[in-house]
This record gives sequence, structure tokens and C-alpha cells, in this order.
Amino acid sequence: DAGVTQSPTHLIKTRGQHVTLRCSPISGHKSVSWYQQVLGQGPQFIFQYYEKEERGRGNFPDRFSARQFPNYSSELNVNALLLGDSALYLCASSLTGTGVSEQYFGPGTRLTVT
Amino acid sequence: TQLLEQSPQFLSIQEGENLTVYCNSSSVFSSLQWYRQEPGEGPVLLVTVVTGGEVKKLKRLTFQFGDARKDSSLHITAAQPGDTGLYLCAGAGNQGGKLIFGQGTELSVKP
Repeated sequence: DAGVTQSPTHLIKTRGQHVTLRCSPISGHKSVSWYQQVLGQGPQFIFQYYEKEERGRGNFPDRFSARQFPNYSSELNVNALLLGDSALYLCASSLTGTGVSEQYFGPGTRLTVT
Repeated sequence: TQLLEQSPQFLSIQEGENLTVYCNSSSVFSSLQWYRQEPGEGPVLLVTVVTGGEVKKLKRLTFQFGDARKDSSLHITAAQPGDTGLYLCAGAGNQGGKLIFGQGTELSVKP
């Protein structure tokens, strides 16, 4: 079975542009979470979606938005990019999205903002 | 605000040595997950502990969840160069799947 997939793998954008990152969860998983990982730190929670509804939001500005589609895939959108948005963006899928539901991560999208 | 303090931040040891990584918090977690991450890749789940006092073993790796479900440890016996990587602990609360990550422990095992 395929694991969590993310696209694109790498992306270079200019300040002020917007970006859309995509994630497909493990088959049968209904919850998708997004994390941002800056070099040298642990991942920081951005959003969680379950059954197409937002279940949680981290401490990120409104420039960050996401959605989940009927097939449980998800998109993360970031508007008005800043240099500080350069990071590895990780998507994780889980069966139910509860606190005891294990999360499996994709390979990430490396975003560089110049 | 829930925080996880992970220590040490860096660890460089010789092949065959033992080591322990600690993950501590003042908050209670419904579960705690340990991951290993290679450069430029996503974290790979090693184990999930749920019950206070629980001990799980994965070959040479032993994971323990504290009795109060506020802390955890990872012990590696006879480390090998293949164990090199970033080890992350992550706690999940009761209200959903949000994971709170520690800062990570960068482990280097030299042959």
C-alpha cells in the first residue's frame, strides 16, 4: 500500500507570491494534519482536518489556509510569502484524528522563499 | 501551552555504546509517539505509547512512558551507525490529533 504522498517535493518562490502544497493520505485514513519544520527544530502544527472539517489550527497567521476534499486529500495554501516561510512542510495522515490515533508522515515539500 | 522538552539536543557516540534520550513535560498526554527522521525526509513512526508506565521494545530500542503520562524515554542498546538520525518525541492531547513535538535529538554513531 502507498504511504502518504506529497507534491511537489521542492519549490522555490519569491516573496509576496502564493503557494499550494498537496497531500494524499494513506488509503482508509480520514484525517490529515499539516506541520511546518524549520531547520534544526521539531515540526510545528499548522492544521488538522477530519472528514473535510477543520479540527484544529496552530498559531499561524491567516495567510495560511487549508482544505480537505471528499477523497480525503488536502491542500495547504500560503499567501503573501515571507522569507520566514522557508521550511519543510509535512503532511501526516491518521485513521481517526484522535489523540491516540497514530500519525504517519509524508516525505514533505521543501519550500524556499527568496 | 503544552511543551515537550527533549534532551540531549546532540549526541555523538561510538558504535556499541548505550544511550538514553529524554522527553519531559508538565502536561499530560493521551499518547506519545517517537519518530526517526533522516535529512530532507519526513519523520518515520517508531512506536506509540498510550498507557502510563508502558514499556515497548523494538529490537535494540526500548521506549518507556512515565506513570503520569507526562514524560518518556528512549534507550538504545549497543548503538550502530545505522541508528544515526534525528529522534523526535511527540505528544498528543485529548482533544484531537495535534502533535506537540520536542526539539529533537541529533544522534551520530561513529564506527
